Amino acid sequence: DAKTTQPNSMESNEEEPVHLPCNHSTISGTDYIHWYRQLPSQGPEYVIHGLTSNVNNRMASLAIAEDRKSSTLILHRATLRDAAVYYCILRADNYGQNFVFGPGTRLSVLP
Amino acid sequence: NAGVTQTPKFRILKIGQSMTLQCTQDMNHNYMYWYRQDPGMGLKLIYYSVGAGITDKGEVPNGYNVSRSTTEDFPLRLELAAPSQTSVYFCASATAAVTTYGYTFGSGTRLTVV
Repeated sequence: DAKTTQPNSMESNEEEPVHLPCNHSTISGTDYIHWYRQLPSQGPEYVIHGLTSNVNNRMASLAIAEDRKSSTLILHRATLRDAAVYYCILRADNYGQNFVFGPGTRLSVLP
Repeated sequence: NAGVTQTPKFRILKIGQSMTLQCTQDMNHNYMYWYRQDPGMGLKLIYYSVGAGITDKGEVPNGYNVSRSTTEDFPLRLELAAPSQTSVYFCASATAAVTTYGYTFGSGTRLTVV
């Protein structure tokens, strides 16, 4: 699997938008971009994923660069509950292969 | 929905003891995984299974064994526990369309080996 690079940590104020970047310069054409987050003392949970087009769901938006070498997870209004470690992961469309979780970005949300 | 259930939530083992971490899912998922997470680190894959009767090693399988006799259950066995196995263990499951729907994780088992 191609590697991803994320900042170690970020801070945001409550109710402000948060943009979490991810670089994946060696992404291949079949790699999907997945985001998971891990709240304190919990297992990771799925946030969003995409291939080429920007994606929106109830939790977040995913903006994918035109060359697909980077992407940004957008939380439109951060809440205290969004404080977590966010993982950006690439995964090819091959069944049975696992996700490789790097250290992720630790997001702190300030009240 | 119960999702992925892991037991126990916490356990302290003495060096050399053995134990089984239980994982069960009620979503009829074919794919199941065991990860470990050391403090401040990402998750590392220990073993995975693509269906009943089929298992394969991940990145860090040494010191562990698994079995998959049913679709629902994927226990992880630790033989001769060592301090290096102190970690949080997560079980996950997924449908065949993993890329589309992603993983569902359990809440983890925190294991300390002393």
